[in-house]
Amino acid sequence: SYVLTQPPSVSVAPGMTARITCGGTNIETMSVHWYQQLPGQAPVLVISYDTDRPSGIPERFSGSNSGNTATLIITGVEAGDEADYYCEVWDGTTNHVVFGGGTKLTVL
Amino acid sequence: QVQLVQSGSELRKPGASVKISCKASGYTFRNYPLSWVRQAPGQGLEWMGWIDTNTGDPIFAQAFTGRFVFSLDTSVNTAYLLINTLKAEDTAVYYCARVYDSESTLDSWGQGTLVTVSP
Repeated sequence: SYVLTQPPSVSVAPGMTARITCGGTNIETMSVHWYQQLPGQAPVLVISYDTDRPSGIPERFSGSNSGNTATLIITGVEAGDEADYYCEVWDGTTNHVVFGGGTKLTVL
Repeated sequence: QVQLVQSGSELRKPGASVKISCKASGYTFRNYPLSWVRQAPGQGLEWMGWIDTNTGDPIFAQAFTGRFVFSLDTSVNTAYLLINTLKAEDTAVYYCARVYDSESTLDSWGQGTLVTVSP
């Protein structure tokens, strides 16, 4: 089955740029979605289809997908961005959803 | 606006069953499948499967075959997750999420239901 690999943690100072990666074989051929889960809350979609930002999500959130790595990019990081972030794809060969293991973003 | 409201926390003993509900509002219920996602304490998100809200047909992830049942009551726009023969390792928060499109964009989530399995 398809596997998505995320770093367990990423740390960044306020105002800087955070990059959270999601690795998978030929992931560039798949549509990657990203979810933010604030402590004690349900996940929220922040990026869909690699780069699309749903209504209400700040422009500071963006995404890219190339080769074997998709990346969630958060510019001008704020304390309120401290959360767990998950990537997700639809594996068309198995018709199953696959989540990455999640990355805890710490704002220093 | 799209809203998914789940039932409250549950405490069960090992071997018992639990049924969680997920009530949808703000959109046409039958037009979008619903996924179920499990999150064990301190762990990541785990996709359990989904249910076609038009046909009632379920798809299960491999780890969730056998003791898990997805069902619907379309008259009240509600999906259900039934877990039989509960084990301690079923202790988790269970989320329902709307499947927006064929690439499984989960665009709206319920607030989650905590199920605790303890003697």
